[in-house]
Amino acid sequence: ELKVEQNPLFLSMQEGKNYTIYCNYSTTSDRLYWYRQDPGKSLESLFVLLSNGAVKQEGRLMASLDTKARLSTLHITAAVHDLSATYFCAVDRKYFGNEKLTFGTGTRLTIIP
Amino acid sequence: DAGVTQSPTHLIKTRGQQVTLRCSPKSGHDTVSWYQQALGQGPQFIFQYYEEEERQRGNFPDRFSGHQFPNYSSELNVNALLLGDSALYLCASSLTGKDTEAFFGQGTRLTVV
Repeated sequence: ELKVEQNPLFLSMQEGKNYTIYCNYSTTSDRLYWYRQDPGKSLESLFVLLSNGAVKQEGRLMASLDTKARLSTLHITAAVHDLSATYFCAVDRKYFGNEKLTFGTGTRLTIIP
Repeated sequence: DAGVTQSPTHLIKTRGQQVTLRCSPKSGHDTVSWYQQALGQGPQFIFQYYEEEERQRGNFPDRFSGHQFPNYSSELNVNALLLGDSALYLCASSLTGKDTEAFFGQGTRLTVV
């Protein structure tokens, strides 16, 4: 059974600081997603990582994937209040060509002014 | 392109009742997956429909059932509602056999009282 673990579960950080969220998964996967979720809202896709060594950046967020270590990271640079949200990683394993996502527990990020 | 649309956005039901949630996939997509997200947790895979058949199923009881129509839209039915069924229900669409990512709808917030 595929398991996805994130840490930390909760993260409170000051504006301007850097931090990293970690996502470990237990078996090989076809791709890895990072999502953002604001309270009461749906999932917003941030990054899709397809291959080992993949790195993607958007603004203050950068995601990377190490398939050998089964580890993905989401790095936050110089955090701002608008980044406060819950972040999920999700691992995709295709069955018969169809996607099935297994999500991590989420990291609730609070940026303190 | 309207993306993935779900209806209704919110509803309140009483224990023991039945509920039907609806999802229209993104244009060009043929596969619909349903996820349940309880408060404070990551989404959990319920099941997936392709070619009007249930292709995969997660660890959910038979009270949860679904249907896919020829136009690829889908319904999620939950019978004999329990308080624990209160959650955000997310629909995701994708295209089978193609290297495309899943797209999520805005979700339906179900409250069972």
